[in-house]
Amino acid sequence: QLQLQESGPGLVQPSETLSLTCTLSGGSITSRNYYWGWIRQPPGKGLEWIGSIFYRGSTYDNPSLKSRVTISVDTSKNQFSLTVTSVTAADTAVYYCARHEYSSGPTWFDAWGQGTLVTVSS
Amino acid sequence: DIVMTQSPDSLAVSLGERATINCKSSQSVFYSSNNKNYLAWYQQKPGQPPKLLIYWASSRESGVPDRFSGSGSVTDFTLTISSLQAEDVAVYYCQQYYRTPPTFGQGTKLEIK
Repeated sequence: QLQLQESGPGLVQPSETLSLTCTLSGGSITSRNYYWGWIRQPPGKGLEWIGSIFYRGSTYDNPSLKSRVTISVDTSKNQFSLTVTSVTAADTAVYYCARHEYSSGPTWFDAWGQGTLVTVSS
Repeated sequence: DIVMTQSPDSLAVSLGERATINCKSSQSVFYSSNNKNYLAWYQQKPGQPPKLLIYWASSRESGVPDRFSGSGSVTDFTLTISSLQAEDVAVYYCQQYYRTPPTFGQGTKLEIK
């Protein structure tokens, strides 16, 4: 059964760069049917899609974050990663990695990591 | 972006009773070429990631109890729990995937009365 696990620092300084990695187990990131995405949830708030990547490197990004976000994939490690530059307190959130099918764009998210809380604070 | 608005924000229902959660999209999420509504529903329990319940507005994900059902079309959708169980206490979200970026509703908190 597919499992996704986020990893990375739980505390990031304001104006610095947030970096997270999602590692897959029980499945391959090179599956041709799926994209791999990042979604975040500020404490006590709703869900925001950040962006997604296909194993060949093509990406879809949320325009609201696009200029600060980079999503990359490492097929040799069965991982994909997220970086967000110039973070502020507004980037404090639980960050989830998730899987979705592709149909002219992202679809529903049918597998999720447990999430990792990233706090932006000095 | 398509704005998803859920109602109510919170809901208290007695065990065994029906729970109904509504979701309205700011524009149509129905694609006439394939006759599909690009809408999903999720359940999120405290400290857990969201869990997919419904996609294509009414298709139940594998393993989801049949007391959960989705309905609606175009801009107005409903998630119904036919007989509320204690384990259904959670926050429920709708999500559209008709246009990128996919967007979520603000969530509806479901509690036991």
